[in-house]
Amino acid sequence: DTGVSQNPRHKITKRGQNVTFRCDPISEHNRLYWYRQTLGQGPEFLTYFQNEAQLEKSRLLSDRFSAERPKGSFSTLEIQRTEQGDSAMYLCASTHMRGPQHFGDGTRLSIL
Amino acid sequence: TQLLEQSPQFLSIQEGENLTVYCNSSSVFSSLQWYRQEPGEGPVLLVTVVTGGEVKKLKRLTFQFGDARKDSSLHITAAQTGDTGLYLCAAPGSDSWGKLQFGAGTQVVVTP
Repeated sequence: DTGVSQNPRHKITKRGQNVTFRCDPISEHNRLYWYRQTLGQGPEFLTYFQNEAQLEKSRLLSDRFSAERPKGSFSTLEIQRTEQGDSAMYLCASTHMRGPQHFGDGTRLSIL
Repeated sequence: TQLLEQSPQFLSIQEGENLTVYCNSSSVFSSLQWYRQEPGEGPVLLVTVVTGGEVKKLKRLTFQFGDARKDSSLHITAAQTGDTGLYLCAAPGSDSWGKLQFGAGTQVVVTP
């Protein structure tokens, strides 16, 4: 069990650029979640996959955000035309069925 | 929308002192989880409480779930500097997908 891995750990980009983050869940975990955490707040749910199917998206996920989980393994979260308000920690978590969620250490996004 | 309110927002104590943090809601939950998060890392699950009135102990940490399953508390006895961190409570959403709703957290700082 190598844990949930997220890359990159830090991303600094200029406003208007596109960014993509990757999450490698614990192997055989069929559920994968993305959360966003801003300073002074707890994580907020963004989206959820069961295997390769994206089953729910929060209203926080504007049309500039897209997430995929091809083949039900790793997942990517892409943000197009980044805005200042996108600056946050993006966390990924995985679980098997309804077991406890295991979180990665996140990707810290800073928009200049 | 279920709202989890955590108090206090910030707590600074000296080593050896005791502390209690709270998580409250007007909603009833099937279960509630406590996480600790350190800077630059993802949340780490400490405990899950399920039954109203349940008390769970994890070394110097005591977790209690309210009788009505609307609130919870975390008590730390004889705090150590290693207890420093952001303590988050979380509860499952009202659907069956397992997404978590988090409180804003209590930042605990234990000084030598």
